[in-house]
Parts: sequence; C-alpha cells; structure tokens
Amino acid sequence: DSGVTQTPKHLITATGQRVTLRCSPRSGDLSVYWYQQSLDQGLQFLIQYYNGEERAKGNILERFSAQQFPDLHSELNLSSLELGDSALYFCASSVTSGRTNEQFFGPGTRLTVL
Amino acid sequence: TQLLEQSPQFLSIQEGENLTVYCNSSSVFSSLQWYRQEPGEGPVLLVTVVTGGEVKKLKRLTFQFGDARKDSSLHITAAQPGDTGLYLCAGSYSNDYKLSFGAGTTVTVRA
Repeated sequence: DSGVTQTPKHLITATGQRVTLRCSPRSGDLSVYWYQQSLDQGLQFLIQYYNGEERAKGNILERFSAQQFPDLHSELNLSSLELGDSALYFCASSVTSGRTNEQFFGPGTRLTVL
Repeated sequence: TQLLEQSPQFLSIQEGENLTVYCNSSSVFSSLQWYRQEPGEGPVLLVTVVTGGEVKKLKRLTFQFGDARKDSSLHITAAQPGDTGLYLCAGSYSNDYKLSFGAGTTVTVRA
C-alpha cells in the first residue's frame, strides 16, 4: 500500500459526459501528479500540483482540468469525453525535495467511455 | 514522445534463469527510478538511483546507473514467478519534477 488513495476504482460513462477523479496523497506529501496510461501511449504525465498551485503541465487536453485543495487532495476533471479517453488514470504524490523525485502511485481509476 | 527507451519489450524465461532489462536515454537525468506494475494496479517503486555508476541491490534485483547518467539496467538473478510484471524505468530532470517513463518491459517467469 503506497498510502495514495484514488476513487473511484472503476468508472463507466458515455461519450460527451463529464467525470471527476479524486486523489488523496500520502500524509506529508505536498506534490500531486496525474498520469494517463493507455495501451498505445504508455504512462503519460498530465499535470502536477504543489501545495495547491499548478507547477507543471504535460500532454493534458484542454477538455481536462485539475486542482489541488487546501487539504492537499486533488481532483482531475475530464469533460466532453471521447472513446479515446478510455484509459487508466493514476495519481502519484511526492515530498518534492532533494535530488530524488520518488513518486508513489495510487491504485488508479479505470475509465471506460462507451 | 518517449525520452527513455527500454529493451527488450517482452521477456519470457523459465524459473531460475537470470534476466536483464535495459533503459537508455539521450538525456542526462538527475535521478532515475525503476517501478514494477501488475495488471490493473499502480506502479510500485523499486529503487531510485541518482549517482553515476551507482549500483543498488534489492534481494535478487540489481540496479545500475550508467556513469553518464543516461542509461540504467535491472538484473534479476534466479527469477521466480512472483517477479512477473511490467518493469518501468522513469527519469526526471533536476529542475523538472515530472517523470518521463519508458514504454516498459513485460517480464513473464514460467514455473
């Protein structure tokens, strides 16, 4: 158990809909990262938040947005869903200090868009 | 775009055999991590290496970071069925905390 929690575990929805994925980082970690994993693209970085502020953006679509709340939990919002958005979405957290960047991953949310 | 290249993509061996997975990049990383992932689950951190030439051992797993900090390898001695999984290498830059992942190596250890 990494200490990172994600809900829900599975999500099935239809094209055009909007969903929210939730993540709680490990106790003491200030950084939260979101990744998307699909069969053809592997693990792709989407976005990072540090102590409530956006720090880095990766290949995140404009239809996707995220935020980190004062209690440090984070939500990833996916809207106008398309079939191609079906994937595993992972949240990771880290302390973000020093030379290392050890990120601990949650169990993921499997999103299926029908 | 994958900055890290892993090889081989697939590896199937018999229990008791040894195996090596490679991770190569054209960029210098400040640190590199190895993860193992099982189907439907999140990646689990195995080790972090930061110093060129560094070697770390975790039971039957040996991790090496190249002198130039552009490549790494994972060696498993006397593999067991429990070692089956997707092995991922991931690197980060010193001023950039996101991780860039390799495509992974799927390892299958047959009993």
